[in-house]
Order: sequence, then structure tokens, then C-alpha cells
Amino acid sequence: DQQVKQNSPSLSVQEGRISILNCDYTNSMFDYFLWYKKYPAEGPTFLISISSIKDKNEDGRFTVFLNKSAKHLSLHIVPSQPGDSAVYFCAAPGGRDDKIIFGKGTRLHILP
Amino acid sequence: NAGVMQNPRHLVRRRGQEARLRCSPMKGHSHVYWYRQLPEEGLKFMVYLQKENIIDESGMPKERFSAEFPKEGPSILRIQQVVRGDSAAYFCASSSPGHPNTEAFFGQGTRLTVV
Repeated sequence: DQQVKQNSPSLSVQEGRISILNCDYTNSMFDYFLWYKKYPAEGPTFLISISSIKDKNEDGRFTVFLNKSAKHLSLHIVPSQPGDSAVYFCAAPGGRDDKIIFGKGTRLHILP
Repeated sequence: NAGVMQNPRHLVRRRGQEARLRCSPMKGHSHVYWYRQLPEEGLKFMVYLQKENIIDESGMPKERFSAEFPKEGPSILRIQQVVRGDSAAYFCASSSPGHPNTEAFFGQGTRLTVV
């Protein structure tokens, strides 16, 4: 039972354009969401989060939007840069015993 | 404030040997997660531990794999009688209690190669 879903395994975006990464969840009890970025051969690093009391959180080029009624969140990166090429994971704490549950990730390729 | 430390970074084992992967969580963190990443795949949850307790091991293979997080010292992921299919990157993450606004911080991973 996959409670956090990232349905796009990969995404290619032209440099300078907007990258939009999507994430869906099934558990309406989730009230906090996290995005992680992972380069090859490195551990994931925390990128940005959002609490369910908000519908938007912005940090520089990164903005996360939350649509609670649709159980959907998205990460927007604008403008996209070559260094943004990585795998992005969506996650939510709140599984059994507050376990943090990760999606399978979306590989973002920024094209020159 | 040191981050999550994993060692070794790279580990080579022959088939049938044992692999021991260590994870020292961030200071003040009492929750540890282990994940496995196979080539071209995402992070796969293995086990979630709190100090001296296994909370959720639903992602652990039933045989050969075990994990512990003792009161003192690092968390250990142990793989007995390794096989080629165990070759993967193993990542540890730690977090502190503090639901719901809790981030997990990851180590750099241990890359296990079974030859």
C-alpha cells in the first residue's frame, strides 16, 4: 500500500523553464510534507517542507503547493538550472509510529 | 554539529561473507531509518528503529538481514551470507521525536558490492 506516490519516474525540462514535480498521497491524516533532492552517490538532502495549515511555501527558486482536497502536492522550480538535475523524493511523516514515508522519486533532467 | 555518519562509504564482500553497515545519527536524534537503493530504482524502506527498539521492519528481507540500534553506539545493519543481489547503496537517516514537523536527515550512504 503506497501512501505517497510519485507517478512520473522521470521528467526533462529545458534550462530556464519551470520544472513541476508532482506527488499524491492517500492518507488524509498526513499533515506535513517534505521534499528531498538526491544526487548520484550521495544521500538525499532535505529541500523544502510544507505544513497542512498552508497551501504554499516558497524558498528562493523552490515553491511547494499543497492541495489538501485533492491530496496532491507539487514542487515548482523556476528557473530550472543544470544543477537541479537530480532525483526528487516526496515524503510524509505519519506512518505507523510516525515513520516517514517516501515516494519512489522523480528523476529530473535539465536540458541545456 | 555533525550530520548523519555512515561507515564505511564503500564495502566489498565476497559471496557468503557478512556485511556490517554502521550509522551514527545526528546528535539528539533517537529515530533511525535504513533504506536501500538498487541501481535505477528509488529508495526502498527497510527498517525503522528507535533506541533499543525495532518499530517497523516491514521492508526487511525475512532472512539474513537484521538491524539494531543499541542504547549506546551506532545503529548497525547486518547482512549475513551476502549474495550478489545485495549489492546496492544503503542509506541511513535519523530524526528526532517531534511529530508532526519532523525532517529526516540522511547520511552519505554505504555502497555495498558483492563479488
